[in-house]
Amino acid sequence: AQSVTQLGSHVSVSEGALVLLRCNYSSSVPPYLFWYVQYPNQGLQLLLKYTTGATLVKGINGFEAEFKKSETSFHLTKPSAHMSDAAEYFCAVSENNQGGKLIFGQGTELSVKP
Amino acid sequence: DAGVIQSPRHEVTEMGQEVTLRCKPISGHNSLFWYRQTMMRGLELLIYFNNNVPIDDSGMPEDRFSAKMPNASFSTLKIQPSEPRDSAVYFCASSFGASEQYFGPGTRLTVT
Repeated sequence: AQSVTQLGSHVSVSEGALVLLRCNYSSSVPPYLFWYVQYPNQGLQLLLKYTTGATLVKGINGFEAEFKKSETSFHLTKPSAHMSDAAEYFCAVSENNQGGKLIFGQGTELSVKP
Repeated sequence: DAGVIQSPRHEVTEMGQEVTLRCKPISGHNSLFWYRQTMMRGLELLIYFNNNVPIDDSGMPEDRFSAKMPNASFSTLKIQPSEPRDSAVYFCASSFGASEQYFGPGTRLTVT
């Protein structure tokens, strides 16, 4: 069975600092991996996804993530945090890569200090 | 393009009443998902449909919950009777094949 673990339910960074949100997964098949962002009182919005090919994936708002098979990780990074990045971030793995359900992590709340 | 549309956006009801949440997926998408989000339990998948057929309803908490998808452009999630512990934000999402899921804005349900 697939699972996702996000290390750290809360992460706080200063504006302009590096953002690193950690995600580890387990999967018995080559995974499709996703990062979603949720702003207060809104639905989830796709930041980026990895399916096949290049392991460094770039997404919206300057975020990127690297798929590392040997480490079963898909950490999300952004070189310089902005106040508008404050939100909750969810990592997810596709269960069967065939339009089936996503398995979500518990989420990491990112706070950005001025 | 219109995204996933959910209605109502907010619902306040009394315990014991029937609640119906509605979802219109993105046109052309063939999978539809219902989620529930609470502080205590996070984001939970309740049920999902593929080509209007329920595929996995293992997340539906009790028989009080039911979901239907009568056609490709409409789905409902019904709670009857509702209880205070059903208070949560309910999200609908849709996707095409193995692509990413697109989420609606959610329905915030409060059961008093």
